[in-house]
Amino acid sequence: DVKVTQSSRYLVKRTGEKVFLECVQDMDHENMFWYRQDPGLGLRLIYFSYDVKMKEKGDIPEGYSVSREKKERFSLILESASTNQTSMYLCASSLLGQGRREQYFGPGTRLTVT
Amino acid sequence: KNEVEQSPQNLTAQEGEFITINCSYSVGISALHWLQQHPGGGIVSLFMLSSGKKKHGRLIATINIQEKHSSLHITASHPRDSAVYICAVSDRAGGTSYGKLTFGQGTILTVHP
Repeated sequence: DVKVTQSSRYLVKRTGEKVFLECVQDMDHENMFWYRQDPGLGLRLIYFSYDVKMKEKGDIPEGYSVSREKKERFSLILESASTNQTSMYLCASSLLGQGRREQYFGPGTRLTVT
Repeated sequence: KNEVEQSPQNLTAQEGEFITINCSYSVGISALHWLQQHPGGGIVSLFMLSSGKKKHGRLIATINIQEKHSSLHITASHPRDSAVYICAVSDRAGGTSYGKLTFGQGTILTVHP
């Protein structure tokens, strides 16, 4: 079974802190994604990566950066956390291939910024 | 950008009822995905389809490409089916689309015993 793990289930940070969210997948997937999920807004893509060191902005990249130094690991970085970044963050991975590949999701990290 | 609309937003059913959740999208796609999210849990892929119909247990997903519409059916619903069901589409792209998804808002399903 594909497994996507995220470093924390719950995280509480203060405004202005630098926050790292880690995601690891064990199935040699090329694609990795970071989403945030908010009530009434659904899931929105922050960033994705299709190869090591490659990244593309999603729909809402402002205030975030990402790092992919190894194929299995994709990190989301909040350079200076703000209260409007309080959300559920979900990582996903998939094989490369014309949009006809299942995405496998991690359990999510619920981040609260106070 | 593809818009994805789901209906209904909330659905309450009695155990045993037949359930239908609908999804419409606005532009051409390479695939449509149905996802399930239990409270506090991660998201699980139920189906990925680009034509016709797929069945897994009590769940059936259909898609009509011409109408840009898909339905998810649950037969003989059970309280354990209570979850959020999310429709998502992969845009059709000339090159590699990398599988980016556009999501619907989700349908909250509650099945009472």
